Formats: sequence, C-alpha cells, structure tokens
Amino acid sequence: DIQMTQSPSTLSASVGDRVTITCRASQSISNWLAWYQQKPGKGPKLLIYKASTLESGVPSRFSGSGSGTKFTLTISSLQPDDFATYYCQQYNTYWTFGQGTKVEVK
Amino acid sequence: ERQLLESGGGLVQPGGSLRLSCAASGFTFSSYAMNWVRQAPGKGLEWVSAISGAGGITYYADSVKGRFTISRDNSQDTLYLQMHSLRAEDTAVYFCSKDIYDSSGYYFDLWGQGTLVTVSS
Repeated sequence: DIQMTQSPSTLSASVGDRVTITCRASQSISNWLAWYQQKPGKGPKLLIYKASTLESGVPSRFSGSGSGTKFTLTISSLQPDDFATYYCQQYNTYWTFGQGTKVEVK
Repeated sequence: ERQLLESGGGLVQPGGSLRLSCAASGFTFSSYAMNWVRQAPGKGLEWVSAISGAGGITYYADSVKGRFTISRDNSQDTLYLQMHSLRAEDTAVYFCSKDIYDSSGYYFDLWGQGTLVTVSS
C-alpha cells in the first residue's frame, strides 16, 4: 500500500501569510496527486489535481507542485476563508490520503 | 447544480447491519464511477469502496472487504453501501464522492456532506 505523509499536522498563520504544506508518498506516484480542502461538518472540496492543475473555480492563490514522492501545496496569501484542513490524496494505486494539515489562526 | 446527498446513517449495535444511500443530481450519474470514503471522529479520510459507472466493477479497502457491498441504481441516480458485521472501528462519517478521469487517473471532484454511522452497544 502507498502511504501518504503530510507535514506539518497543524500550521498557525495570519491573513496575508504565505503557507506551504508538504506531502510525501512512500513510493513514486508520478504526478497522480490531488489536494482537498475540508471545513468542519462539510465534505472535502477538490482544489488541485495532477499535482499542479487548479480545479475550475478555485482561486489562483492556491498552487501545487512536485512529482515522484514529494509534493507541496502553497497558498500565496492566506485569506479568512482558507482556515481549514487540507488533505493530499494519491490516485496512482487505489486511493490513500495524508493525515491532514489544519491551518489555524495564529 | 451538481449535488450528492447521503442518508441512512444512525446508531447500530456491534454485529449489526446498515444501508447507506447517496442521491446524485446535476450530472449524468451513470457516466461516472463513484466511491465511499469515511472519516472517523477527529481523524483523517479513508477510502472505503469504489464502483464503475455501469456497476460491474467494484473495489474495496481491506478493512471492509467481505463485510461491505457497494452497488448503484442508475435508473434512480443512487449509490448504496450495504454494511454488515459492523464493528466499533466502523464508526465514522461516510461520504460519497464522484470520480473524474483525466490522463493522470481517477480522482474525486464532487463530495457529499456525509452521514454519521455510530457502532455502539
């Protein structure tokens, strides 16, 4: 099974900050990686697929990069609506998620 | 507007059974594979099961294989998850999600709000 490890688990930040979340795969997954945002009591929302392709309607302050085993999600200027939990997901072999990164108010 | 709406969750005793439903709207349901993903209280996301658009191909996580059955009724635009021999560790919010395919593979572009399943005596 492919394991996904995110860091950090919690990130404290302020509005306007640049935020970076890292996701590592236990083996190469090429660029078969997606990022999701989840808010309390809601289902996840797709942000990025194919490691770096922005889903339609997602603000351009979100970006993704990486390939192989190391990936990053960057929020260029954190907005109030961005405080949430973020998950990476590999879809190279079935589907597995990282443990999540909670972005909280500093 | 595309939408997924889960129902059927509740409190069930260990060893019991429950059937979840997911009603789809706003897209051609039969054209897309669908999934169930669960989230234990305060925990991360765990993929549970997937089914092809026509319903003939199914996949299961090892943790539920032999106990859960995924199915769909394309005439009713509805996805199901039949759960048997439920355990305390099956307690979670269960989400249905819609697959989308591009050259990189299948990922999930639409999710429901979830339905809570609690397994407890």
